[in-house]
Amino acid sequence: AQKVTQAQTEISVVEKEDVTLDCVYETRDTTYYLFWYKQPPSGELVFLIRRNSFDEQNEISGRYSWNFQKSTSSFNFTITASQVVDSAVYFCALSEAQAGNNRKLIWGLGTSLAVNP
Amino acid sequence: DTGVSQNPRHKITKRGQNVTFRCDPISEHNRLYWYRQTLGQGPEFLTYFQNEAQLEKSRLLSDRFSAERPKGSFSTLEIQRTEQGDSAMYLCASSPQETLNEQFFGPGTRLTVL
Repeated sequence: AQKVTQAQTEISVVEKEDVTLDCVYETRDTTYYLFWYKQPPSGELVFLIRRNSFDEQNEISGRYSWNFQKSTSSFNFTITASQVVDSAVYFCALSEAQAGNNRKLIWGLGTSLAVNP
Repeated sequence: DTGVSQNPRHKITKRGQNVTFRCDPISEHNRLYWYRQTLGQGPEFLTYFQNEAQLEKSRLLSDRFSAERPKGSFSTLEIQRTEQGDSAMYLCASSPQETLNEQFFGPGTRLTVL
């Protein structure tokens, strides 16, 4: 069965600190996709990144970076020099390519990040 | 604005009443998804449309729930005889066929059943 685990329920940091959000996934498929979404207090889910299972290259986008380790089934997300605007719930999600046309997302429970001034 | 829109944003109803939510996806997207999210949880998949065809329904979707996408554009989600356990945020997402699964979400409809 597919499963996404975000072990950190809540994280609190002070502005300008670096913070890493962990994501561990389970799947029996060899082809799959991993995602991170941000859900600010307004509630709307905002897409951050997609990674396919064949691409283990790490990615950096501004202050955000992602570390995909297939060997440990992890897809961790790091925010460098955190800002108050980064405060949100962050979700990791999994989609299996062999689910036919339905690319439904399997979600973790989310990590609530509070960045304090 | 060309994002996913949902109406209403909030709905308060009494137990036993019927409610209907609407989702307008991004215009060129042929895939549409409904999810439900309760406090402290990640979204849970409810159902999926490709164009007007409803191709999958979650076991979470009891027979009180029905969804339609009559012309392959907007979609409606109806809940009949609402129960307090139906209180949640109902999220709609859409994606184009040719991209690799990236789903764009609407702001959600928050349902409170009294």
